[in-house]
Amino acid sequence: AQSVAQPEDQVNVAEGNPLTVKCTYSVSGNPYLFWYVQYPNRGLQFLLKYITGDNLVKGSYGFEAEFNKSQTSFHLKKPSALVSDSALYFCAVRDGRTGFQKLVFGTGTRLLVSP
Amino acid sequence: NAGVMQNPRHLVRRRGQEARLRCSPMKGHSHVYWYRQLPEEGLKFMVYLQKENIIDESGMPKERFSAEFPKEGPSILRIQQVVRGDSAAYFCASSPPGGGDQPQHFGDGTRLSIL
Repeated sequence: AQSVAQPEDQVNVAEGNPLTVKCTYSVSGNPYLFWYVQYPNRGLQFLLKYITGDNLVKGSYGFEAEFNKSQTSFHLKKPSALVSDSALYFCAVRDGRTGFQKLVFGTGTRLLVSP
Repeated sequence: NAGVMQNPRHLVRRRGQEARLRCSPMKGHSHVYWYRQLPEEGLKFMVYLQKENIIDESGMPKERFSAEFPKEGPSILRIQQVVRGDSAAYFCASSPPGGGDQPQHFGDGTRLSIL
């Protein structure tokens, strides 16, 4: 069975500082990993994905994430946070085997960037 | 290029009534997914459909819930005889045919309130 853990309900960071939002996963096959962001009363917006290849993937709005197979982690990072980055962030995993399409989401981490 | 369109955005029903939620996928997308989000929780997979076929309904409650994606027209999530516990945000996502490495794109959701 697939599962995702986001151990922090909330992350607080000052504007201009680096940010990290943590995610660990469990899946039987190869992991397909995704990060999404959700603003109030909106749907999820895709930020980035890891399927294969380089462990460091770059995505939208200056975000990046590092895949670590040994630690089964896929932490989201940004070198310099903006107040406008404040939102709810979800990590999701899909089993890469054929026939598995559903995404399993973590419970989300609220990012609060203070001016 | 329009994104995933869901309507209505807000739906209020009394206990025992029926709720119909609609989803039009992005142009060129033939895979549709429905997820449910309870307050302060992540998204939970409900069902995965392709045109005229239900592929995976492992997340659907056994009773009162059904989904379809007809040859023509939007995908419909139908909830019969609604109860208070059905109150949630329901999100539809779509992805193109072929590779499962493609991200799912989400609509802004339908917020269902049961009186």
